[in-house]
Amino acid sequence: EFVLTQSPGTLSLSPGERATLSCRASQSIARTDLAWYQQKPGQAPRLLIYATSSRATGIPNRFSGSGSGTDFTLTINRLEPEDFAVYYCQRSSNQWKFGQGTKVEIK
Amino acid sequence: EVQLLESGGGLVQPGGSLRLSCAASGFTFSNHAMSWVRQAPGKEPEWVSAITNNGGTTYYSDSVKGRFTISRDNSKNRLFLQMNSLREEDTAIYYCTKEEWSLSQPRLDFWGQGNLVRVSS
Repeated sequence: EFVLTQSPGTLSLSPGERATLSCRASQSIARTDLAWYQQKPGQAPRLLIYATSSRATGIPNRFSGSGSGTDFTLTINRLEPEDFAVYYCQRSSNQWKFGQGTKVEIK
Repeated sequence: EVQLLESGGGLVQPGGSLRLSCAASGFTFSNHAMSWVRQAPGKEPEWVSAITNNGGTTYYSDSVKGRFTISRDNSKNRLFLQMNSLREEDTAIYYCTKEEWSLSQPRLDFWGQGNLVRVSS
């Protein structure tokens, strides 16, 4: 069974700091098939990054994605107050699979 | 502006049925595959079902196969999810999502606001 494992579970940071979120796949996936979503309380997830490193429309350039094979990273430079949320990685395919999420909280 | 508006959720007893509907606007509905994604309280999103743009092919997660049926009406820009034999573990917020496959870079680029389905006796 294919699994996406995100780490850490919770990241405690201050505004202005950099956040580095990890997503590890149980088997290699194409760079085109890895996306990241942000979810705030009471809201639907929102697409941030697709194809590993392409920002979705309207997403600020402080969000960036990288990686290949089984290891992928979402980096948020200079955290803004609105960036504190839960982030999910996702394998995009005919059967979309999500990681368990990383919560970025205010320290 | 893309809008996806779900309706039809609510409280149902185990073994019961519900039909979710999603009204789409702001894009050419018939050009896009669509998916339903659900999220149980405190859990990650879980993909449930998908349908191609013309409705010719459908996909289901193992957890709902044989119980749920996805369909669409392109003339009315509507997506549906018929849910039968509901179980308590089907309790979740159900999201209607638009698939985008341009440049062979698949993603769920728009999500509805979600509709709560609660299965409880």
